[in-house]
Amino acid sequence: GAVVSQHPSRVICKSGTSVKIECRSLDFQATTMFWYRQFPKKSLMLMATSNEGSKATYEQGVEKDKFLINHASLTLSTLTVTSAHPEDSSFYICSAKPARTSENNEQFFGPGTRLTVL
Amino acid sequence: QKEVEQDPGPLSVPEGAIVSLNCTYSNSAFQYFMWYRQYSRKGPELLMYTYSSGNKEDGRFTAQVDKSSKYISLFIRDSQPSDSATYLCALHGSSNTGKLIFGQGTTLQVKP
Repeated sequence: GAVVSQHPSRVICKSGTSVKIECRSLDFQATTMFWYRQFPKKSLMLMATSNEGSKATYEQGVEKDKFLINHASLTLSTLTVTSAHPEDSSFYICSAKPARTSENNEQFFGPGTRLTVL
Repeated sequence: QKEVEQDPGPLSVPEGAIVSLNCTYSNSAFQYFMWYRQYSRKGPELLMYTYSSGNKEDGRFTAQVDKSSKYISLFIRDSQPSDSATYLCALHGSSNTGKLIFGQGTTLQVKP
């Protein structure tokens, strides 16, 4: 149980286009999902917290108009990178926190999406 | 000063060795301490979590937390080549936001 999927796993796009990444919790409901960005040999950097039915909370320095987040249901959150540029190339990872109460705030991570902007 | 410090390595050990991975942190509000394993080009998977100070053992893995020193460790006994991965510590406080603060990750290579 507790599987999180991401789609696509890899995407290559031209500069100026928009890219949508989906994060799904397959066997549990997630009221909260998190979007991270990871550069090579670097740690995960939290970009935003996505709550079902409400606006996402963005971390300092993350452009909300650049990275659009929609958490339309308890099992799906999407991240859209708008007008992508080469500096947006990165590994994007989502995680999902189950709706059930958990003292350790357990999160389950997706496999990540490799975005390359040419 | 970063909230969480972790030596990125790489750390290379022979098969069967005992591995010690560590993180230090600065915020005494952290109460939940986790270790994640991340294989190349994959998402992190939770290995262990510990609440407050103490030890926790799970098979070949032992997690230790010393809140007085703000120091956490993950020990791997009888290391295997399949343990080769990046290990990230992650911490969060008592709030229910779920926000995790990650260390940089230590790359481990276990040579057969």
